[in-house]
Amino acid sequence: GAGVSQSPSNKVTEKGKDVELRCDPISGHTALYWYRQSLGQGLEFLIYFQGNSAPDKSGLPSDRFSAERTGGSVSTLTIQRTQQEDSAVYLCASSSTVPRGTYNEQFFGPGTRLTVL
Amino acid sequence: GDSVTQMEGPVTLSEEAFLTINCTYTATGYPSLFWYVQYPGEGLQLLLKATKADDKGSNKGFEATYRKETTSFHLEKGSVQVSDSAVYFCALGKGAQKLVFGQGTRLTINP
Repeated sequence: GAGVSQSPSNKVTEKGKDVELRCDPISGHTALYWYRQSLGQGLEFLIYFQGNSAPDKSGLPSDRFSAERTGGSVSTLTIQRTQQEDSAVYLCASSSTVPRGTYNEQFFGPGTRLTVL
Repeated sequence: GDSVTQMEGPVTLSEEAFLTINCTYTATGYPSLFWYVQYPGEGLQLLLKATKADDKGSNKGFEATYRKETTSFHLEKGSVQVSDSAVYFCALGKGAQKLVFGQGTRLTINP
């Protein structure tokens, strides 16, 4: 079946502009995660959605970052007033929360490469 | 909080060499442990996993054993190939919570 998809694959923007990044999780997956992969910072967790529960926003680096998940499926990560340090690859992952032992396998999308000039 | 420390790269080996990439973790509770791989130009893929102490994960000739006494999950392969060149990430997770990743190790295999 289809995997996690993300769009756009690449985004170049000017400092101070707003950007929206989209994630389509695997159908039926109730958990959705956003991570950021940047040089020098490795892979950082940003935000996590689980069903209808309040999202875990503990990884968002500033109030310029926000995310929504509509209808329990598609998610949009919004970065307002972008800064050069926001340049990174933004990864989305989804997982099924049907209990399968003690682990959750997260399936990652190809990422969106964001470049802020 | 929970954390993962992995061997800094880059690592460069010749084909057929033995590979070890060290990974240690700090966590409360009983995390599951993972190795993810990112091949050039591709997304992150799960390579192998172990869900409890003494479990051994294996895939594509790679192995890692969950060692609770040393809080380690070292990745090994007996004979690497050029196609194994990639960035490898060690990670831990608990239930449906976020994954905590190590910094990643870039591996280059020369023919």
